[in-house]
Amino acid sequence: LAKTTQPVSMDSYEGQEVNITCSHNNIATNDYITWYQQFPSQGPRFIIQGYKTKVTNEVASLFIPADRKSSTLSLPRVSLSDTAVYYCLVGDPYNQGGKLIFGQGTELSVKP
Amino acid sequence: SAVISQKPSRDICQRGTSLTIQCQVDSQVTMMFWYRQQPGQSLTLIATANQGSEATYESGFVIDKFPISRPNLTFSTLTVSNMSPEDSSIYLCSVTSRQGSQNTEAFFGQGTRLTVV
Repeated sequence: LAKTTQPVSMDSYEGQEVNITCSHNNIATNDYITWYQQFPSQGPRFIIQGYKTKVTNEVASLFIPADRKSSTLSLPRVSLSDTAVYYCLVGDPYNQGGKLIFGQGTELSVKP
Repeated sequence: SAVISQKPSRDICQRGTSLTIQCQVDSQVTMMFWYRQQPGQSLTLIATANQGSEATYESGFVIDKFPISRPNLTFSTLTVSNMSPEDSSIYLCSVTSRQGSQNTEAFFGQGTRLTVV
């Protein structure tokens, strides 16, 4: 399972766009990139998943360059409620049996 | 999607005792996963619980310390045995579900916050 590296913490203000970049130099051909969000005293929650190029849903966008060695989670117009820890995970969801290997995560603090 | 219920939500236990954490899923799943999250840390996978076979433990975790049961496709238990203060953590149960033709998504319970005194 590919190891990931992301910033330990980030600060932002309400209404700004936040981009969190994750490095995964050893990503394998069958690996997907998945981001989870975790609020205090809760389990992680799925945000978005992608394989290449760009994926967008109602919550976020995920940008993946052609070499797939990194990815960027983009949160548009954050609010105070987006304060959480964001985890980038890389793996083959179809062949690793569903188990997840979490990195350290990025603690995002959104200020008024 | 999957809804996961964990019990208890929190407990304070004496060292040397054991605590069994229950995890109930609202749908049948082949594999259930148990994670530990130590204070201020990320999640670490303890083991994978397969119905009908013994659990598969990750490096650093052993069955004697964390026995797991998986009696059916919707339920699992994790026991933290002979507890010490170092076992104080949040323990989370998880399942994975394929969403249509695309995302494979993990769902987590709310966790069990264990404090060992």
